[in-house]
Amino acid sequence: NAGVTQTPKFQVLKTGQSMTLQCAQDMNHNSMYWYRQDPGMGLRLIYYSASEGTTDKGEVPNGYNVSRLNKREFSLRLESAAPSQTSVYFCASSGSRGSYEQYFGPGTRLTVT
Amino acid sequence: GENVEQHPSTLSVQEGDSAVIKCTYSDSASNYFPWYKQELGKGPQLIIDIRSNVGEKKDQRIAVTLNKTAKHFSLHITETQPEDSAVYFCAAPNQAGTALIFGKGTTLSVSS
Repeated sequence: NAGVTQTPKFQVLKTGQSMTLQCAQDMNHNSMYWYRQDPGMGLRLIYYSASEGTTDKGEVPNGYNVSRLNKREFSLRLESAAPSQTSVYFCASSGSRGSYEQYFGPGTRLTVT
Repeated sequence: GENVEQHPSTLSVQEGDSAVIKCTYSDSASNYFPWYKQELGKGPQLIIDIRSNVGEKKDQRIAVTLNKTAKHFSLHITETQPEDSAVYFCAAPNQAGTALIFGKGTTLSVSS
């Protein structure tokens, strides 16, 4: 089992460019999450998907969109990147509702210039 | 859940000493309190968790204690080793029970 995988590992964008961060899990988990991590700010939830076909906003959703493509895959899209979106992005997944243990991917380090 | 505060933000100890990290939460209905460890360049990984029907849980050198009345829980690491150096995060469920709210993290440095 690979667990949670994320692509790409690193990305540099210019302001205004768009890109999609990919995430996949092979643990048959229902719930998936996108976080961003900034120095001194901890892990902040961007969007989550409690089950296939549903998505909900987290603490910092502005500037992002998500797609739960199927049970395995949950993508995060930046339509028009801004320097404030420079961050490390983590995808995570967890089992059924009520099972809170989350498994994290290795992260994507994004720089917007 | 909803608001989780974590202290201290940085902690330096000598190898063999104990380390304690504390978190407070705002939602009295919260019933699950995990601790995650993040090593440099990696994603966070669950190291221990506790549910609200238990006051303390141990796993070798790490333990978590919970005080529901005061709405705080703590991570205790005994006999610290250099490999314990990492960023540690506490968390609690949001009000809807659909996601975790994380503290801002504690950078632990263990010097030999």
